[in-house]
Amino acid sequence: DIVMTQSPDSLAVSLGERATISCKSSQSILYSSGNKNYLAWYQQKPGQPPKLLIYWASARESGVPDRFSGSGSGTDFTLTISSLQAEDVAVYYCHQYYSTPNTFGQGTKLEIK
Amino acid sequence: EVQLLESGGGLVQPGGSLRLSCAASGFTFSNYAMTWVRQTPGKGLERVSAISNSGGSTYYADSVKGRFTISRDNSKNTLNLQMNTLRAEDTAVYYCAKGPSGYYGEYFDFWGQGTLVTVSS
Repeated sequence: DIVMTQSPDSLAVSLGERATISCKSSQSILYSSGNKNYLAWYQQKPGQPPKLLIYWASARESGVPDRFSGSGSGTDFTLTISSLQAEDVAVYYCHQYYSTPNTFGQGTKLEIK
Repeated sequence: EVQLLESGGGLVQPGGSLRLSCAASGFTFSNYAMTWVRQTPGKGLERVSAISNSGGSTYYADSVKGRFTISRDNSKNTLNLQMNTLRAEDTAVYYCAKGPSGYYGEYFDFWGQGTLVTVSS
């Protein structure tokens, strides 16, 4: 199974500042022939289900604010929130769908400093 | 507006059975793969079972293979998960999730609110 490891486990950032979350996969999740990284990012607020933010590592889901961006390739990926807003407090998960079983990172809890 | 409404969760004894359902609306259900994902504080998120848009292809995690059965009724816009021989480790919030296409091996672009399954004596 591909192991997805997120860092840090928790993060406190001031309002308006940049937040960066890392996700590393134990093997490459880049499908070279299609040049696509099989990685998604989700946001989960307390008491709510996960919500899709990013897919194919860098494609932003419709309706997601453009302060959210995804980058990376192969085994190293990053979710960046360019200017943290109060409503961004949540747990963030990465998810690889390159191979079966699909696997998720353990989550990164983002709080306001 | 896409909506997924799970039902059927509850408290069940070890070895018992439950049937979860997910009522879908707001999209053409028969065009999209569907998945059950569960979440626990200890193990995080786990894709439990998935089914293609036609129902012709299915996936089960090793942890539930032989005990759980996924099905769908495209005429009723409903996804089901029959869970038998339940164990304590099946205790979790179970989410119904929609895929972006008919193939079940992709990401999830919409999740239901979830239903809690508790397996305990």
